[in-house]
Amino acid sequence: DVKVTQSSRYLVKRTGEKVFLECVQDMDHENMFWYRQDPGLGLRLIYFSYDVKMKEKGDIPEGYSVSREKKERFSLILESASTNQTSMYLCASSLSRQGYQPQHFGDGTRLSIL
Amino acid sequence: GQSLEQPSEVTAVEGAIVQINCTYQTSGFYGLSWYQQHDGGAPTFLSYNALDGLEETGRFSSFLSRSDSYGYLLLQELQMKDSASYFCAVIINRKLIWGLGTSLAVNP
Repeated sequence: DVKVTQSSRYLVKRTGEKVFLECVQDMDHENMFWYRQDPGLGLRLIYFSYDVKMKEKGDIPEGYSVSREKKERFSLILESASTNQTSMYLCASSLSRQGYQPQHFGDGTRLSIL
Repeated sequence: GQSLEQPSEVTAVEGAIVQINCTYQTSGFYGLSWYQQHDGGAPTFLSYNALDGLEETGRFSSFLSRSDSYGYLLLQELQMKDSASYFCAVIINRKLIWGLGTSLAVNP
């Protein structure tokens, strides 16, 4: 079974802090994704990566950056946290870029910015 | 732009059948996928349709009509544990574009 692990289940940070959210998958998946989920807005893609050191912007990349130095790890960085970044953050991975492969999600990190 | 529409809420009783519709307006469509998410949980994959027709997996089935830009998820023999949110998602350029989700409440 695929395991996608997010480093924190709950996180509280202050405005202006630099925040790191970590995600690790254990199935040698090529693709990794970061979403945020807000009530009434569904899942919105922030960034994704198809390979080590590669990244592509999703629909709402502003205020975020990512890092993928190793295949199994995909980090989301909030450069200077703001209150409107309070949200549930979900990491996902999928097997390869060939055809469609289901995405496997972590349990999410509920981030509060005070 | 890309858009998906699905009902925001559906209510049904145990043992019944429910259909959750999804219509989409997208370009570069590759396929339609469905995910389930329980309160406080992670989305989990249910089904995927790339071609027209019905795909059946146990109590759940998914249908796609590419010409109508329409699909649905059919849940049979509903159980209390099926109470969850159900998301349709369109596959475009290796990304998923998500609907806003349908909250299904199954009552005794």
